[in-house]
Amino acid sequence: AQSVAQPEDQVNVAEGNPLTVKCTYSVSGNPYLFWYVQYPNRGLQFLLKYITGDNLVKGSYGFEAEFNKSQTSFHLKKPSALVSDSALYFCASRSYNTDKLIFGTGTRLQVFP
Amino acid sequence: ETGVTQTPRHLVMGMTNKKSLKCEQHLGHNAMYWYKQSAKKPLELMFVYSLEERVENNSVPSRFSPECPNSSHLFLHLHTLQPEDSALYLCASSQDGGGADEQYFGPGTRLTVT
Repeated sequence: AQSVAQPEDQVNVAEGNPLTVKCTYSVSGNPYLFWYVQYPNRGLQFLLKYITGDNLVKGSYGFEAEFNKSQTSFHLKKPSALVSDSALYFCASRSYNTDKLIFGTGTRLQVFP
Repeated sequence: ETGVTQTPRHLVMGMTNKKSLKCEQHLGHNAMYWYKQSAKKPLELMFVYSLEERVENNSVPSRFSPECPNSSHLFLHLHTLQPEDSALYLCASSQDGGGADEQYFGPGTRLTVT
């Protein structure tokens, strides 16, 4: 069965430090992978996606993610965190042969000044 | 952010009420979705419409009834809900239903069932 795991409920980072939010997936075949961010009282906002090609994907607001097929991971990264990055982050995956997008449980990122 | 709108933003209803949630997308997309978001749980896909045809009904109780009159509008009709149905209901749209298309979400309707 298709699944997405975000092992950390919360990640705490000091402003200016690099951040990583972890995601692993279990999908048959080649997956499509996505990251979304949710700010308080808002819907989910698309950040970036991996379809094929270069394993390092760049997205909005300086975020990037690295697709690692051998480790079935798609970790979200940013070189220098901002306080305004504090939000809830969701990883999602879809197998190439299904309409269904499977989400992880979310990771709350807290960036401290 | 204004590509997908949802009304109302907040709704409190009794277990015997009937209400409807409305979603409208201004992106020219062909697929629309309803999700339920509860605390500490993954987003639950409820319904998928592609070109106004329902293509996914994810074992949702019949007290939730979707309607998609055209590709820009999606409704979720609610009746005789239970307290455990209290959640944030999110609408989303994508260019097509599936593949590599990302989904665009509305701000959600915060539903409280009393």
